[in-house]
Amino acid sequence: KNEVEQSPQNLTAQEGEFITINCSYSVGISALHWLQQHPGGGIVSLFMLSSGKKKHGRLIATINIQEKHSSLHITASHPRDSAVYICAAPFFGNEKLTFGTGTRLTIIP
Amino acid sequence: NAGVMQNPRHLVRRRGQEARLRCSPMKGHSHVYWYRQLPEEGLKFMVYLQKENIIDESGMPKERFSAEFPKEGPSILRIQQVVRGDSAAYFCASSPPSFTDTQYFGPGTRLTVL
Repeated sequence: KNEVEQSPQNLTAQEGEFITINCSYSVGISALHWLQQHPGGGIVSLFMLSSGKKKHGRLIATINIQEKHSSLHITASHPRDSAVYICAAPFFGNEKLTFGTGTRLTIIP
Repeated sequence: NAGVMQNPRHLVRRRGQEARLRCSPMKGHSHVYWYRQLPEEGLKFMVYLQKENIIDESGMPKERFSAEFPKEGPSILRIQQVVRGDSAAYFCASSPPSFTDTQYFGPGTRLTVL
């Protein structure tokens, strides 16, 4: 069964803390997406990666294909990072995305 | 290069009416995906279209829902005879012809059925 699981479901941290959100998936994929959904509901694509590591500002995404695991890190977290972070993957032979349940991140000033 | 556009952003319908949601993909993108997010639930795939073709509609409810992506113009998700359970946020995403490229999401249409 094609599944994507995220942890933790909820995460509250103090401003400045280093944040890690984890994502694991059940079978082979061609790439993994990290998305951000703001309180207003809009979705922003943060990363799409198929191997290694990508960095954009304070955000870092890594993926280990052998272990079927990806992590999203936020350095020097800020209250404006508060959002729901979602990982999603297209399983092999299938372009549609299967989504994790999301991690609700709250950064306290 | 404008991003994926969806309109309307908010749509209110009474039970039994029709809802039409539009999605204009990014320039050069020929693949469109529709996803639905029910209240307090995660995103779920509905349908995947290329120009004039439905590629995968395995996530579409069997009745009342249809989608198209004509040669010219936006992709349309149509819901006939809406019911309260159709209230949700509907997102579309687009991607260029290469399968491995990322999907770019639109801002979504929030449908409320009274």
